[in-house]
Amino acid sequence: EAQVTQNPRYLITVTGKKLTVTCSQNMNHEYMSWYRQDPGLGLRQIYYSMNVEVTDKGDVPEGYKVSRKEKRNFPLILESPSPNQTSLYFCASSSRTGNTEAFFGQGTRLTVV
Amino acid sequence: EDKVVQSPLSLVVHEGDTVTLNCSYEVTNFRSLLWYKQEKKAPTFLFMLTSSGIEKKSGRLSSILDKKELFSILNITATQTGDSAIYLCAVESSNTGKLIFGQGTTLQVKP
Repeated sequence: EAQVTQNPRYLITVTGKKLTVTCSQNMNHEYMSWYRQDPGLGLRQIYYSMNVEVTDKGDVPEGYKVSRKEKRNFPLILESPSPNQTSLYFCASSSRTGNTEAFFGQGTRLTVV
Repeated sequence: EDKVVQSPLSLVVHEGDTVTLNCSYEVTNFRSLLWYKQEKKAPTFLFMLTSSGIEKKSGRLSSILDKKELFSILNITATQTGDSAIYLCAVESSNTGKLIFGQGTTLQVKP
């Protein structure tokens, strides 16, 4: 079954404690991205990757890091989380050849206290 | 700057009503426009539109794209309470594959 798997689904952490949200896809997609969703602001892109070892900033990259060492995995790293990073996060993947939709992970609800 | 704007931002209707959701865009190197439905979890795919004037239909939902006027509409007929959700419009840029999302339209269907 084609899917994007994110973990964890829920996370409560304290300010400054480094965390990683994992994302893995099994569709051999080149393109992967991370979004955060906040009320009234829609989905905003944090970082994206067009292929292995190729990453670039999205619209709201501050406070986040990513890596793409393998095609299937695209972890999101918060080196020093702050309360303004409390949000709902989605990982997505798609084929760069087009004509297919983006597939989303189930989301990670992060609370930073 | 690329942008996607949806309207209205929220909408309350009664079961059986017909609704039209709007999505306008300004995106360089347009590849496709996608509609997603989001309930209390990840967005689920509804339609992908690439050509003007060709209606995509799935049950009570339909959508069409106008590439000249740079907008799309999503129609839902005979609405049901299960249609209550956030509807997201996104435009894909062909040179990067990047998806640019609108703010979403929150639809509430009352019994």
